[in-house]
Amino acid sequence: AQKITQTQPGMFVQEKEAVTLDCTYDTSDPSYGLFWYKQPSSGEMIFLIYQGSYDQQNATEGRYSLNFQKARKSANLVISASQLGDSAMYFCAMREGATGNQFYFGTGTSLTVIP
Amino acid sequence: EAQVTQNPRYLITVTGKKLTVTCSQNMNHEYMSWYRQDPGLGLRQIYYSMNVEVTDKGDVPEGYKVSRKEKRNFPLILESPSPNQTSLYFCASSQTRLGADGYTFGSGTRLTVV
Repeated sequence: AQKITQTQPGMFVQEKEAVTLDCTYDTSDPSYGLFWYKQPSSGEMIFLIYQGSYDQQNATEGRYSLNFQKARKSANLVISASQLGDSAMYFCAMREGATGNQFYFGTGTSLTVIP
Repeated sequence: EAQVTQNPRYLITVTGKKLTVTCSQNMNHEYMSWYRQDPGLGLRQIYYSMNVEVTDKGDVPEGYKVSRKEKRNFPLILESPSPNQTSLYFCASSQTRLGADGYTFGSGTRLTVV
């Protein structure tokens, strides 16, 4: 089974609108970390946001927030007030276990912001 | 500037010719790891290291070797490259083992094996 599933290969959003990128994960370990990364066309990987499995509140970083629904095993990224510079690939990832260091990425969602 | 530096950025090589991709970080991070990125597959972890002389296999270690003799360096070695190792490779490091600070990635190495 896939550890991280991103079901939206491509998404479009109007500039200044909010957009939600979906991510579900699969683990039986109670301790894990969830991440979102942005990869612009230039290729670098940019860390956006982190959510620990024991964190009570949803993580937020500026215009990014992570909608963490533990029972549903989902960790959706919400980008508010989209900007043209948000056009990129977005990857959801999971670090599994309190002592494990294996890191799993989803296949990514390509976001295009339309002016 | 805090960064992870990979070299080379681009490499074309022939099947069977040993190569090394270097990775160096200047942030005194303990945790380092290597990934390959292939279209439609996302990033897959090759190897990781929790500290000097401590390395372990990730999801796709076959055909690769690593070493961690110094804290700052974590080279990726392909002893006998094959065309299926053509990919975009990333090195990453983190201050904490849990990575809550976010892993810092290098700029990537695009490898083509012919």
